[in-house]
Order: sequence, then C-alpha cells, then structure tokens
Amino acid sequence: AQKVTQAQTEISVVEKEDVTLDCVYETRDTTYYLFWYKQPPSGELVFLIRRNSFDEQNEISGRYSWNFQKSTSSFNFTITASQVVDSAVYFCALRDNYGQNFVFGPGTRLSVLP
Amino acid sequence: GAGVSQSPRYKVAKRGQDVALRCDPISGHVSLFWYQQALGQGPEFLTYFQNEAQLDKSGLPSDRFFAERPEGSVSTLKIQRTQQEDSAVYLCASSLGWNTEAFFGQGTRLTVV
Repeated sequence: AQKVTQAQTEISVVEKEDVTLDCVYETRDTTYYLFWYKQPPSGELVFLIRRNSFDEQNEISGRYSWNFQKSTSSFNFTITASQVVDSAVYFCALRDNYGQNFVFGPGTRLSVLP
Repeated sequence: GAGVSQSPRYKVAKRGQDVALRCDPISGHVSLFWYQQALGQGPEFLTYFQNEAQLDKSGLPSDRFFAERPEGSVSTLKIQRTQQEDSAVYLCASSLGWNTEAFFGQGTRLTVV
C-alpha cells in the first residue's frame, strides 16, 4: 500500500535558522516519484521539488535542499536560513505506477518567527 | 491558460442542494486529479483522469459524487444532495504525464449549511 508519513505536525523556528522537514514513505513499486509541496495561507499548493526513485543524488537549489535515502524510505527537505515568507504547511507526496495518483502526507506546519 | 483554474472559488450550498465545481487544467496536460482537503489535513484523493478516461475513482466517498472530463480538457466535479460532511476545499490538479509534477488550482471552498 502507498503511504506517506510526516511525523512533525508543527515546527517553529526563528528567522535565519535552518529547518528540516521529515518524510517517510511506503510503496511496493520500484519506480516512483517523490515531491514536496508548499501551501501558504492563501491555500494554493505550490510545487517545490521532485525526485525519482532511481536518483538518490541529493541536491541543493537555492535555500532548498533534500536528502533522499531509499534504504530508510525517507525524503527529507531542508530550508537553509529560513525566512518569514517560508511560513506555510509543507506536504510530502508520493506517486507510483501502482496508484498513479499523488498520495500526500498529513503536512507539517512551519512557522518562521521574526 | 497559465495555470489551473477552478471556479467558483467559494460556494455555499444548502443541505440537499446539488453543486458543480469546474476545473480548467493547464493546456496540453494529460492527467487531471480531484482532491478533497478538510481543514488542517492533507489532500485526499478523489479521482483521476487520463485524457477523457476516468482511470481511478476509488476515492469518491459515495455515489453522490460524480466527475467527468468529456473532451479531455475541462473537468466538472458534481456533488448531489450535499451533506454537511461534504464541506471542504476541493482541489484540482493537472500534470503533463505520469512521471511529472502536478500543478494545483486555488481550490473551491464548499460550505454546506
């Protein structure tokens, strides 16, 4: 079965701190895609990053970086030098060949305090 | 259009009323999804189209929910005889292919009174 778990319900940090959001997934497929989305107070889900199951290379894009480890089924997301505008709910999502739809985790609410 | 467009943005329905929610996906996107998001929760899958074919409707909560995409572009989610538990934000998303990210609309907030 497909499942995405985000154990952190809420996180608060002070501006300029680094913050890591955890994501653990379950799938029976060997080919799958992982995503992070941001949902600011306006409500629209904004795509941030995508990773496929064959590429475990971790990357950095601006202030965002991610750590994908198949051995632990984890896909963690880090924001470096957080800003107040980063305050939002962050969702991890999985898409595989079995279900083809996106399965979302419950989300982590990030509050960045000035 | 530039993004996924949903209408109306807000809908208030009396219990028992039928509603229709519209989604205009990004032009050329093959896949279209409907999700339901309750307050404080993650999006829950409702149904998925590939072009005009509805490939998965396993998430529709009851037979009061019906979705269509007759020409493989615009989609409509219809809810018959609305109940209070149908109150939620309904999100539509589209993607170019199965291995690409989905882009979401701003959602329709449905309130059943």
